[in-house]
Amino acid sequence: AQTVTQSQPEMSVQEAETVTLSCTYDTSENNYYLFWYKQPPSRQMILVIRQEAYKQQNATENRFSVNFQKAAKSFSLKISDSQLGDTAMYFCAFMKHPNQFYFGTGTSLTVIP
Amino acid sequence: GAVVSQHPSWVICKSGTSVKIECRSLDFQATTMFWYRQFPKQSLMLMATSNEGSKATYEQGVEKDKFLINHASLTLSTLTVTSAHPEDSSFYICSATTDRGFSQPQHFGDGTRLSIL
Repeated sequence: AQTVTQSQPEMSVQEAETVTLSCTYDTSENNYYLFWYKQPPSRQMILVIRQEAYKQQNATENRFSVNFQKAAKSFSLKISDSQLGDTAMYFCAFMKHPNQFYFGTGTSLTVIP
Repeated sequence: GAVVSQHPSWVICKSGTSVKIECRSLDFQATTMFWYRQFPKQSLMLMATSNEGSKATYEQGVEKDKFLINHASLTLSTLTVTSAHPEDSSFYICSATTDRGFSQPQHFGDGTRLSIL
């Protein structure tokens, strides 16, 4: 069975600072994808970033980047230059064939002005 | 691109009635759609996976007769909560993907808040 663990239920960061959200997962699969989704108060799930397991290079999307450690089964999200609009729940997700998604329990991030 | 529309966004109804929630992919063909349930401050719980033209695959513990899922076209899936009761009150979210196999992320609708009185 696949499990996704987010050990930080709540985090806060000062505006313009950097914050890292942690995620670990457990799987016996070799081919899979990892995602970070953001869920603001409006409740819509928004894709933040994705990482293919076969790629060693860490994914980057503007202010968002990941630190993917396949051997350690770790997939952390770094948010640089935090903005007030980054306040949201962040979910780490694991996907294996065929389109089976597993979500972590989420981290509530608050950006403080 | 990859917009998923979910309707209604909020519904309140009496216990015993049936409620239908629609999930539409507006600008792509969704070969696979997913239905999730989310309780306050908790993660998404996958209820079922549906492929266009096929019967939905339900997760363990989800009542098939209670939560009817239809995926009749490549752009529309519906979830019907039959004979709803207060314990069915929750936030329901659909998502869609274009790839039966792999590699594509899921695109989520805005969710439906269901309140059963």
